[in-house]
Amino acid sequence: AQRVTQPEKLLSVFKGAPVELKCNYSYSGSPELFWYVQYSRQRLQLLLRHISRESIKGFTADLNKGETSFHLKKPFAQEEDSAMYYCALNTNAGKSTFGDGTTLTVKP
Amino acid sequence: EAGVAQSPRYKIIEKRQSVAFWCNPISGHATLYWYQQILGQGPKLLIQFQNNGVVDDSQLPKDRFSAERLKGVDSTLKIQPAKLEDSAVYLCASSFSSGGDYEQFFGPGTRLTVL
Repeated sequence: AQRVTQPEKLLSVFKGAPVELKCNYSYSGSPELFWYVQYSRQRLQLLLRHISRESIKGFTADLNKGETSFHLKKPFAQEEDSAMYYCALNTNAGKSTFGDGTTLTVKP
Repeated sequence: EAGVAQSPRYKIIEKRQSVAFWCNPISGHATLYWYQQILGQGPKLLIQFQNNGVVDDSQLPKDRFSAERLKGVDSTLKIQPAKLEDSAVYLCASSFSSGGDYEQFFGPGTRLTVL
């Protein structure tokens, strides 16, 4: 069965510092990976997906199949980045699995 | 476009009572998901529909939970009877289709408290 692990429950950085949110997965097939974000009092929403290889709000994520990781990175964190971040995986059969999330706090 | 709608937003019941949640997905989305999110955890998939058929319900506690998606549009999730450990946020999401790189759109959730 597939699994998504986010090893850090809480992550705190200062404004302007680099930030990396870790995501590791286990799945025998070829996964589709996503980062979702939930800002305070808002709905869970897509931040980015690995297939598009895009940068959203300054965030990027690279799929490393050798290390089975999909870490989310931003070179200069902003206060508005404070939120809950979830890594998610879709299997070939269309099943969706989420990690337990990381709460990011960016301090001024 | 209108987003995923859920009701009620909050519900408080006593254990052994019944409760039902409703979800209206984004128009044209074939796939509908129900998730249970317990405090401090990520969303756990309970059931996934493709149109009005069930794709995955392997984590649905079928002795007390049931869900349906008649006509392949809106859906209801029912708990009967509720237990204390069912206290959670129940999220509904929809996507154009299953799997692949299709984005899931989430509703606001229903916060259930079982006393």
